[in-house]
Amino acid sequence: SQKIEQNSEALNIQEGKTATLTCNYTNYSPAYLQWYRQDPGRGPVFLLLIRENEKEKRKERLKVTFDTTLKQSLFHITASQPADSATYLCALGIAGRRALTFGSGTRLQVQP
Amino acid sequence: EAQVTQNPRYLITVTGKKLTVTCSQNMNHEYMSWYRQDPGLGLRQIYYSMNVEVTDKGDVPEGYKVSRKEKRNFPLILESPSPNQTSLYFCASSLVPRTNTEAFFGQGTRLTVV
Repeated sequence: SQKIEQNSEALNIQEGKTATLTCNYTNYSPAYLQWYRQDPGRGPVFLLLIRENEKEKRKERLKVTFDTTLKQSLFHITASQPADSATYLCALGIAGRRALTFGSGTRLQVQP
Repeated sequence: EAQVTQNPRYLITVTGKKLTVTCSQNMNHEYMSWYRQDPGLGLRQIYYSMNVEVTDKGDVPEGYKVSRKEKRNFPLILESPSPNQTSLYFCASSLVPRTNTEAFFGQGTRLTVV
């Protein structure tokens, strides 16, 4: 069956460290992968998009990797801050589908 | 400011009482959609619209209706709500209906059906 897996357990890290979140998928062949941030009681906000032929994408303190062989994307936040605390969602863009297919998200808690 | 606006933010209703959740975007986007978010299940698409008067079912359309009479508005209608429709709902829009395009989400509507 098709699945998108993000760690359902919260990730707790210390301020200043690098946070690494994982998105694994099975039986999908996404052409694109997007990451969103969601704060409690708010709608998701777009962060980054990476294409299947791109290995890595960066934006300020954010870095995304996309390994189509491992069927995995890693999302890194360097020099993390308490303000980075939120739930992070990965979403697959699959050829032939107009809608993104979302994972259930991983909650990140950055301790001061 | 570019935004997607949903109303109401919170709604408690009784089983069977018709309700409408409104959604409006000010970015002239072609593509609009509705999602529901439930714990552990992620965001699941209910209905989408490619443009005015063009709508289609998403992954979980049962019990919902939509309309797109104007480009900016995409209301979600629950004709006879049931408790299993208790959820957090999001409207989203994007410039074009492709998954390589950023989606903009509304603030969400928390619906409770008793």
